[in-house]
Amino acid sequence: DAGVTQSPTHLIKTRGQQVTLRCSPKSGHDTVSWYQQALGQGPQFIFQYYEEEERQRGNFPDRFSGHQFPNYSSELNVNALLLGDSALYLCASSLGGRDRGYEQYFGPGTRLTVT
Amino acid sequence: RKEVEQDPGPFNVPEGATVAFNCTYSNSASQSFFWYRQDCRKEPKLLMSVYSSGNEDGRFTAQLNRASQYISLLIRDSKLSDSATYLCVVCSNSGYALNFGKGTSLLVTP
Repeated sequence: DAGVTQSPTHLIKTRGQQVTLRCSPKSGHDTVSWYQQALGQGPQFIFQYYEEEERQRGNFPDRFSGHQFPNYSSELNVNALLLGDSALYLCASSLGGRDRGYEQYFGPGTRLTVT
Repeated sequence: RKEVEQDPGPFNVPEGATVAFNCTYSNSASQSFFWYRQDCRKEPKLLMSVYSSGNEDGRFTAQLNRASQYISLLIRDSKLSDSATYLCVVCSNSGYALNFGKGTSLLVTP
């Protein structure tokens, strides 16, 4: 049973550039959430995608955008990178129906360094 | 006030010890609660969900006190492999976003 996969594993970008991170959810899951984890902090919710729509968004600027594809995989895009965007970006998958509970399973993350 | 607050530790305990972690949350309407474990430079892994009646999974026991908005995790007979950061997690009102504490660091020593 394939778990959540993310690519790339590591990425180094320059301030002002744009980046795209990718995620494939766990088999059978239809919902993808993205989180940003800075060093020494807990993950912070960026947004969640369900049925190819952004269902909820956290307190992140519009430079952060995303997309979900018909096969449930997802992309996170960050424009105009700032040094403060350096973090571990985590993708989590879950089942979207409210009656199925809210357990989310995380991928290994993409470590983004902005120089 | 942060939505989820935890004592960051670190907690250094010898093998075999019992250790307890506490967490408080600010949103009284929160419905779902979890403990996740995160090893260094790895992703968080779901350790257990937390139910109002309390629940146990082997050496791990989780408790929820809704009146005090307080969640706890007890680890009995600590193993070296329990060394990790333990994240207290509260699901938002919407049921979609997970709100994480900063984590409590545990080091179990021989």
